Amino acid sequence: KAGVTQTPRYLIKTRGQQVTLSCSPISGHRSVSWYQQTPGQGLQFLFEYFSETQRNKGNFPGRFSGRQFSNSRSEMNVSTLELGDSALYLCASSFPGQGYNEQFFGPGTRLTVL
Amino acid sequence: GQSLEQPSEVTAVEGAIVQINCTYQTSGFYGLSWYQQHDGGAPTFLSYNALDGLEETGRFSSFLSRSDSYGYLLLQELQMKDSASYFCAVRDIGNTGKLIFGQGTTLQVKP
Repeated sequence: KAGVTQTPRYLIKTRGQQVTLSCSPISGHRSVSWYQQTPGQGLQFLFEYFSETQRNKGNFPGRFSGRQFSNSRSEMNVSTLELGDSALYLCASSFPGQGYNEQFFGPGTRLTVL
Repeated sequence: GQSLEQPSEVTAVEGAIVQINCTYQTSGFYGLSWYQQHDGGAPTFLSYNALDGLEETGRFSSFLSRSDSYGYLLLQELQMKDSASYFCAVRDIGNTGKLIFGQGTTLQVKP
């Protein structure tokens, strides 16, 4: 099976712009979660989508939003970019079921805001 | 709230054994998991403890004690390729996809 893919891998934007990141989960996985990783804050949960519905949301401002399509692919959007949004954005997919749902992470999108 | 504490750095030599501890404060969770992340790479799943006790997977073992709010990852027969960051994480009750991560421990394996 192909792994989780994320596009683009690298992105450079300026303050005030907006950005859309894409994530394609492993085939058959219906849950997609997004995380922001920075050296100072570590891995922080942004939100999770399951069957096109946002199931949970982390403590991020409303500038961060996402959606999931019927094929389970997901996008996240950040509007009005700030310097502090520079980070590695990781998405992870899982197949919800009994027991622990191992998260499979994509390689991430490295966003730099200038 | 929920928080997990890990040492920021650990150094060990090839062939040795190293233990990475994780203490947590949480109102409830489904279990403790561990992820490995190499520089520039994606986190990859290592192990999961749903119940108290030791889980062994090859050179890696993980332990959980809910009564002590404590867990650890044990790496045996260290290899250079084990140099990476290791994260403990808890899965939030009622929120299947949400993982709360510790800050990560950077393991440096020296020859």
